[in-house]
Amino acid sequence: QQQVKQSPQSLIVQKGGIPIINCAYENTAFDYFPWYQQFPGKGPALLIAIRPDVSEKKEGRFTISFNKSAKQFSLHIMDSQPGDSATYFCAASMWGQNFVFGPGTRLSVLP
Amino acid sequence: DAGVTQSPTHLIKTRGQHVTLRCSPISGHKSVSWYQQVLGQGPQFIFQYYEKEERGRGNFPDRFSARQFPNYSSELNVNALLLGDSALYLCASSLDRGFREQYFGPGTRLTVT
Repeated sequence: QQQVKQSPQSLIVQKGGIPIINCAYENTAFDYFPWYQQFPGKGPALLIAIRPDVSEKKEGRFTISFNKSAKQFSLHIMDSQPGDSATYFCAASMWGQNFVFGPGTRLSVLP
Repeated sequence: DAGVTQSPTHLIKTRGQHVTLRCSPISGHKSVSWYQQVLGQGPQFIFQYYEKEERGRGNFPDRFSARQFPNYSSELNVNALLLGDSALYLCASSLDRGFREQYFGPGTRLTVT
């Protein structure tokens, strides 16, 4: 119940494409769903986050779509750039504690 | 403002040894969490500390322990190191115990030989 599933494992898109990364969870007590971006040798950086009372959130080129009934959420990256090439992690938490992370998606954006 | 800082950056230890990793949170942040990230996987929650007390613990053996100091910095200790403890150890800080936004440091890369 504490697991967060993430797909795909890896993704390759052309510059300007819209990569989509999907996550699914089981525990309906989760109340916060962030996405992190991690470059090699660095710690994860918070990109964008959403709460279950909102179905969509946009920040710059990043959009989270949230489907509470399906217990799924996804990250869309608009107009992707080679600099977006990184590993992306979805996560979930209850009351800001005990974060559970997905296994990650390695994104490559080709120039 | 400085972000989360961790030391050392890299560490090589031998099986059976003990290791101490250190973390300084963002100024003003009172909560610190520790994560283990094995290569190719997502971070796994180890501990959360707030106001010097353990507020959450993940599924890790008792060989792992931590503490938080009055200045909110934190140490993670691992005893009787195993090869499987080789990983990137991440520290994350947040403003308060229930505050959901957490910010990660660069991590300490631990290699156990």
